[in-house]
Amino acid sequence: EADIYQTPRYLVIGTGKKITLECSQTMGHDKMYWYQQDPGMELHLIHYSYGVNSTEKGDLSSESTVSRIRTEHFPLTLESARPSHTSQYLCASSESRGRDGYTFGSGTRLTVV
Amino acid sequence: QKEVEQDPGPLSVPEGAIVSLNCTYSNSAFQYFMWYRQYSRKGPELLMYTYSSGNKEDGRFTAQVDKSSKYISLFIRDSQPSDSATYLCAMSASGTYKYIFGTGTRLKVLA
Repeated sequence: EADIYQTPRYLVIGTGKKITLECSQTMGHDKMYWYQQDPGMELHLIHYSYGVNSTEKGDLSSESTVSRIRTEHFPLTLESARPSHTSQYLCASSESRGRDGYTFGSGTRLTVV
Repeated sequence: QKEVEQDPGPLSVPEGAIVSLNCTYSNSAFQYFMWYRQYSRKGPELLMYTYSSGNKEDGRFTAQVDKSSKYISLFIRDSQPSDSATYLCAMSASGTYKYIFGTGTRLKVLA
């Protein structure tokens, strides 16, 4: 059973629309991440957070923004969607101590038309 | 050059075969190595985690790290059709919790 939830699973939206991808985890993890995954490509980190009110941009340039007001919630927002934003977005979390790896959500498949 | 290289496959094997999946990397600072399995339309799930060099075994799965060659492997014994998935390697250096992922190898185990 998933401990990290992403909604929606699939989204088709028109160019110029504002969208928010939701991510929530019930494990109390301090660290949360957003990755972008395209077919045949490695996962690219676009945002991460090491705790409440802490957010950083990742290695891949992204026009999205994130917020971390509560430990369990890490939404990603695109102010104006474009076809180039079409991708799979994966949210993940990890514990503060140790290196037990990431727990991933099932992803949101975004298509911008 | 990418920091992590992984053969994308696809790799097709008969049921019961031993599967070897591999990644090479260029950053000698990598100390933490992981293998994830990703089924279609799902997020990756952690399979194996290894620190530094050596082997780690968990059931039918064995992870191997050779830091001198900058090469990691995942072996699957007695492969099953349910092992059909994409396998991703990931690694990071000490002092960071950010992992660099490979592109994934698509594996198909034929019944």
